[in-house]
Amino acid sequence: EVQLVQSGAEVKKPGESLRISCTGSGYSFISYWIVWVRQMPGKGLEWMGRIDPSDSYTKYSPSFQGHVTISADESISTAYLEWSSLKASDTAMYYCARQYGMRGGMDVWGQGTTVSV
Amino acid sequence: QSALTQPASVSGSPGQSITISCTGSRSDVDSYDYVSWYQQHPGKAPKLIIYDVSDRPSGVSNRFSGSTSGNTASLTISRLQAEDEAHYYCTSFTTSDTWVFGGGTKLTVL
Repeated sequence: EVQLVQSGAEVKKPGESLRISCTGSGYSFISYWIVWVRQMPGKGLEWMGRIDPSDSYTKYSPSFQGHVTISADESISTAYLEWSSLKASDTAMYYCARQYGMRGGMDVWGQGTTVSV
Repeated sequence: QSALTQPASVSGSPGQSITISCTGSRSDVDSYDYVSWYQQHPGKAPKLIIYDVSDRPSGVSNRFSGSTSGNTASLTISRLQAEDEAHYYCTSFTTSDTWVFGGGTKLTVL
């Protein structure tokens, strides 16, 4: 079964650092981009950025550039979303999803990780 | 980059058809055939229902269809069912090599 499994809920204080993870299984991890999507409480979806695990090329939304870091470790089929200094406004649900390059849409999603700051 | 524009809400009765619009610009919807639609039920992760403007993933009902005209993409749901009540989001690739979501539309089945 193809799935993305995300790390558990986090409760942090402002100024703390955090890294959440997204582990893929059931498919070739390096063949699909991993995308991160934010959903603030009661709000819509926001595209944060994506990584190509085959070469670690990343692209960020201007809204998130410099505020978060996306990385991946292909050896363990895991992508990460990281903050160096959290703010209260980072409180949200964060989803990872896979995408087959430009085409195909985000076809498999993780269950989401709740971050409370 | 600005979010794509969707109506905040739409409604319809069971058996009817509804259409949700998604308006962008020459920087996104009008430039690429990379528009996708997602369905999200409360407390759940989004689900892909349309990709590349009008293609349906395996397992998605053929009651869902997509199209574009100029800078506007549309999602049509025919023969509405109670289970279709959810939020719907469009997304498009942009000329900045990023993706942008619409603000989301809440569909109410009366």
